[in-house]
Amino acid sequence: RKEVEQDPGPFNVPEGATVAFNCTYSNSASQSFFWYRQDCRKEPKLLMSVYSSGNEDGRFTAQLNRASQYISLLIRDSKLSDSATYLCVVPGADKLIFGTGTRLQVFP
Amino acid sequence: DAGVTQSPTHLIKTRGQHVTLRCSPISGHKSVSWYQQVLGQGPQFIFQYYEKEERGRGNFPDRFSARQFPNYSSELNVNALLLGDSALYLCASSSLAGGRGDTQYFGPGTRLTVL
Repeated sequence: RKEVEQDPGPFNVPEGATVAFNCTYSNSASQSFFWYRQDCRKEPKLLMSVYSSGNEDGRFTAQLNRASQYISLLIRDSKLSDSATYLCVVPGADKLIFGTGTRLQVFP
Repeated sequence: DAGVTQSPTHLIKTRGQHVTLRCSPISGHKSVSWYQQVLGQGPQFIFQYYEKEERGRGNFPDRFSARQFPNYSSELNVNALLLGDSALYLCASSSLAGGRGDTQYFGPGTRLTVL
């Protein structure tokens, strides 16, 4: 089993839609998690940190289910500018462990 | 404050050559990590350096090496380049050693193409 698994997508959604991505992780001892956003041919940028059951920032909500070992990212009222790849990240002892990313394309 | 800087931005090499990539962390950050991202995949951890010492190494061959300088900047060296080394090489800066809960900030990357 991979350390971090994501559905690669792509998710094609219209503006204004709500979209959710899931991510599963294998290390049950993991305590904190991140979602990074990566635009095409750019570097990953931190979107949200998740340290407890969840975190909300505007249109973005991240939730953590420790029992099932998955993290989700919910985007409400999608904007064209949300089109990007969303990377689920689990910190290891000395590194960040990335999923393959889920690609989101928001269309008019 | 300047973010993480990397040079060069793009590089084209041929098989068998070597390459040196450079990274300057955010001012005040003492940790630098290197990641390789091939097309369609998430970044893969190569090295972490903290206070000029190697603190972590990913599953990469010995052709990959790195070092960190007293000013906390870092170099990644790759010898005997293979076609499969073509990727975006990302440098990440953080204030602490280790990955757990410590936010890492990425530079714009160096895009390496091996022909």
